[in-house]
Order: sequence, then C-alpha cells, then structure tokens
Amino acid sequence: SQQGEEDPQALSIQEGENATMNCSYKTSINNLQWYRQNSGRGLVHLILIRSNEREKHSGRLRVTLDTSKKSSSLLITASRAADTASYFCATATGFQKLVFGTGTRLLVSP
Amino acid sequence: DTAVSQTPKYLVTQMGNDKSIKCEQNLGHDTMYWYKQDSKKFLKIMFSYNNKELIINETVPNRFSPKSPDKAHLNLHINSLELGDSAVYFCASSQQGNRGEKLFFGSGTQLSVL
Repeated sequence: SQQGEEDPQALSIQEGENATMNCSYKTSINNLQWYRQNSGRGLVHLILIRSNEREKHSGRLRVTLDTSKKSSSLLITASRAADTASYFCATATGFQKLVFGTGTRLLVSP
Repeated sequence: DTAVSQTPKYLVTQMGNDKSIKCEQNLGHDTMYWYKQDSKKFLKIMFSYNNKELIINETVPNRFSPKSPDKAHLNLHINSLELGDSAVYFCASSQQGNRGEKLFFGSGTQLSVL
C-alpha cells in the first residue's frame, strides 16, 4: 500500500505567493524526500531530510519533518510560473526502497 | 550526456504483443529501478537491481521480466501485453541503493496497449 499521501491534491496560486504542500506517512522512516515532476517528464530530486532532522532549506524551498506526527511539509516561497509541476514526497523505509506519495499538482499563474 | 536515458519514449501496441523498454545510466551508479506510474500519477516500484542482481521484486506479474546485462543497463521486457499495462514506466538509478538515497529518473516511456 502507498506510504505517503499528499495534501492538497491540487493547488492554484499567483506568482509571488508561497505554496505549501503537506505529506503524511504511516511507518517509521530513514529519510523523506521531495521530488518535482514537470508534465511529460521524469521526477527530479529536490531535497532530502533525514529522520533526525526537523527542518531543511534549499534556495526557495523549505522542508519540515515531524516524525511524531508522521508528516512533512514543503514550502516554496515567492513562487514562479516555472514552479508549475507535480510535487511528490517519498519515504525511505528500508534497504533500497523509496515509496512515493500521491502527489500535489501545483499551478502558478503569472 | 543524459544521465538516465530510456527508449522508446512512446510505445503503442496491441494486446497480446511482447515489447521491451531499454534503460541506460552513465552516472556510474550501482543500483537501477523500474517504477510504474498509473493514470492517477501514483508511482509504484516494480524492480530494483544492484550490480546486476535482483534486489526488489514488488509482486509484479511474471509477464514482466527485467534484465540487467551490466550495472549501467536495466531493460524491461513485457510479454502478452494487457490493457491494464498501459502506464508510464520510469527507469531510475541511485549511487549505492542503500538507506534511501536520492533517485535519478529517466524521462519515462508512455506505454499504450490497445
């Protein structure tokens, strides 16, 4: 069964606004990762946060992890039209296995 | 100089046919994967290989047979294609494959079974 579920399923915002996506998972994890998928393309790794970390930044991205609530959030600040994509969380629960969530479709309008 | 490349990008075929998808990575990674993405964008692992050895086989029908001739290549052969096999298939690789490293994905093969 899938491990991660993302919320919301779809998000529509204006350029310059912040976008927040949430991911909930069910079991203990080694780390949690976020990926972006542009339409018709493969997934691209954005950021990895380990189970003993609470917050991580990369450019305009901020990821938080709350292992007690089994949840993570991805914040994209000052969004751009080029950020339009689907965003997936993925949890690493064991050797070589990365389980993906259901994805959030983000639309950023100019 | 694409890191993970898979061919073909599109594959349209009739039910009952046999088809193959090829994948190559030039990153020097030890581990390669096949993932299937359905029409609802749900991405599920099918197989993983570490240095040509099958590590993960996620309850995939026997009609799907991966083959890894060397650690840079992982091909997927599908026999007797069914309508339900229609999906986008992604190849991916990671450096060593342990403890949830980040994955590098190919651009996908969209398979349509008619």
